[in-house]
Amino acid sequence: NAGVTQTPKFQVLKTGQSMTLQCAQDMNHEYMSWYRQDPGMGLRLIHYSVGAGITDQGEVPNGYNVSRSTTEDFPLRLLSAAPSQTSVYFCASNTGGQGSYEQYFGPGTRLTVT
Amino acid sequence: RKEVEQDPGPFNVPEGATVAFNCTYSNSASQSFFWYRQDCRKEPKLLMSVYSSGNEDGRFTAQLNRASQYISLLIRDSKLSDSATYLCVVKEAGGYQKVTFGTGTKLQVIP
Repeated sequence: NAGVTQTPKFQVLKTGQSMTLQCAQDMNHEYMSWYRQDPGMGLRLIHYSVGAGITDQGEVPNGYNVSRSTTEDFPLRLLSAAPSQTSVYFCASNTGGQGSYEQYFGPGTRLTVT
Repeated sequence: RKEVEQDPGPFNVPEGATVAFNCTYSNSASQSFFWYRQDCRKEPKLLMSVYSSGNEDGRFTAQLNRASQYISLLIRDSKLSDSATYLCVVKEAGGYQKVTFGTGTKLQVIP
């Protein structure tokens, strides 16, 4: 199993450009999430999904859109990039439930907006 | 006050030393607790869950103190490979994704 994969690994955008960060998992997990990680701050939840066709906002959703048409894929769209969106983005998946709650993270996308 | 607080470190310790990190949380309704490890420029990975009675996994021991609202991670016989950032993670009951990550404590094990 590849686990959680993300593309691209690195991206530089100009202010105002749009792009989609790709995320896929092959573990048949129902739950998927997008986080951003900034220096001095913990991982912050952007959007999440509890199954195909179901998404919801996290802590910092503004400027981002998501959709979940299949169990495997959960792309994150930046509508109009801003320098404040310079960050490392992690996609994660898990099986849900209250048990071990292990989240499996992708390798991350390092995004710079100039 | 931050929901989850950790000393950012760095903790510089010699090989073989014992080191402990604490993490405090503000929400008394928090139900589940975890330690994740994050290597430099890599993704976080689950190190261990933290159970009410405390739990051990090899050289790693995790403790929960609900009365004082903190969790701890003890690493014995530190190895160079333990060098990483350790993230404290707190989950509230009920909401699927009401999960809060601490900013992490950086550990550097020195030869």
